[in-house]
Amino acid sequence: DIQMTQSPSTLSASVGDRVTITCRASQSISSWLAWYQQKPGKAPKLLIYKASSLESGVPSRFSGSGSGTEFTLTISSLQPDDFATYYCQQYNTMWTFGQGTKVEIK
Amino acid sequence: QVQLQESGPGLVKPSQTLSLTCTVSGGSISSSFYYWSWIRQPAGKGLEWIGRIYTSGTTNYNPSLKSRVTISIDTSKNQFSLKLSSVTAADTAVYYCARDDYGGKGFDYWGQGTLVTVSS
Repeated sequence: DIQMTQSPSTLSASVGDRVTITCRASQSISSWLAWYQQKPGKAPKLLIYKASSLESGVPSRFSGSGSGTEFTLTISSLQPDDFATYYCQQYNTMWTFGQGTKVEIK
Repeated sequence: QVQLQESGPGLVKPSQTLSLTCTVSGGSISSSFYYWSWIRQPAGKGLEWIGRIYTSGTTNYNPSLKSRVTISIDTSKNQFSLKLSSVTAADTAVYYCARDDYGGKGFDYWGQGTLVTVSS
């Protein structure tokens, strides 16, 4: 199984901050990586696919990068609506998720 | 606009079989462009992919659950279903159905999720 490890598990930030979340795969997954945002009581929402492609309707302050085993999700200027939990997911071999990163208000 | 809706019992007894159905609207489940997946999330924990099905009936399952999982599709009703046998308290979770883009986009549409509790 391919393991996905996110860091940090929790991130405290303020509105306007630049935020970066890292996701590492236990083996190469090329660019087969997606990022999701989940708010309490809601289903996850697709933000980024193929490591760096922005899903339609997602604000441009979200961006993704990386390939192989190391990936990042960046929020260029954190907005009040962005406080949530973020998950990475690989879809190279079977599908596995990272453990999540909670972005909370500082 | 594609919508997915899970339905099924919210309470299942230990050792019994959990059965859920996902109804897809606003698009055809017979499309060759998508797989249809089940994903679950225990309270306060992360996401676990359970398995998926293609319109042809081809399935892929999470190896950790494979012995207990069956996913089926009913194209006439635009539905797909999940059966998980021999459930225990560890199977208590919110269960989501989701559309899995064949071209490699991840899960682009999700149902709202349904809580299934395993308890006697």
